[in-house]
Amino acid sequence: QVQLQESGPGLVKSSETLSLTCAVSGYSISSGYYWGWIRQPPGKGLEWIGSIYHSGSTYYNPSLKSRVTISVDTSKNQFSLKLSSVTAADTAVYYCARLLAEYFQHWGQGTLVTVSS
Amino acid sequence: EIVLTQSPATLSLSPGERATLSCRASQSVSSYLAWYQQKPGQAPRLLIYDASNRATGIPARFSGSGSGTDFTLTISSLEPEDFAVYYCQQRSNWPPSFTFGPGTKVDIK
Repeated sequence: QVQLQESGPGLVKSSETLSLTCAVSGYSISSGYYWGWIRQPPGKGLEWIGSIYHSGSTYYNPSLKSRVTISVDTSKNQFSLKLSSVTAADTAVYYCARLLAEYFQHWGQGTLVTVSS
Repeated sequence: EIVLTQSPATLSLSPGERATLSCRASQSVSSYLAWYQQKPGQAPRLLIYDASNRATGIPARFSGSGSGTDFTLTISSLEPEDFAVYYCQQRSNWPPSFTFGPGTKVDIK
């Protein structure tokens, strides 16, 4: 059974870059599927951030595209998120997930990232 | 950009009752729509994909229907563990992107 685990700093200063990693177990990223990041501000709904294929091809939420970079490291079986120039509006629980076609089939437990001023 | 709206925002029901949740898309998404369940402190769980297909391990009391712009998630008889927030989600082909609805909270009456 595929499992995903997010990791990274829980506190990031405003204007800096948020960096998270999603470690995948139970499945080799290089075997296929798209992988993605989704976030959820406290008490609010879900927002897709971006997705990446094992080959490295990416697509991002147009509203975040200028600040987002998603990359994959197949040797470590993980993929990563970088979000630059963060503000308080980027405070959220960040989830990584594996897509099944158009849908998010498997999710990590999520990690809360707080942006401080 | 395709926008999803969900109604009602909150649905107050008792265990054993039938729940009917609605999701409407601002333009046709064919049958490319999913439903997720989220409980407090947990990640969302995929319930329904392609509008009407139950994901692996999802009980038969959950069913989805609809196509085009109007979709429904039905829980035939609410169990205590079904009280949660439900989100719909679709994928746009161009530009490739995913959007979620704002959610419907099903709480205990």
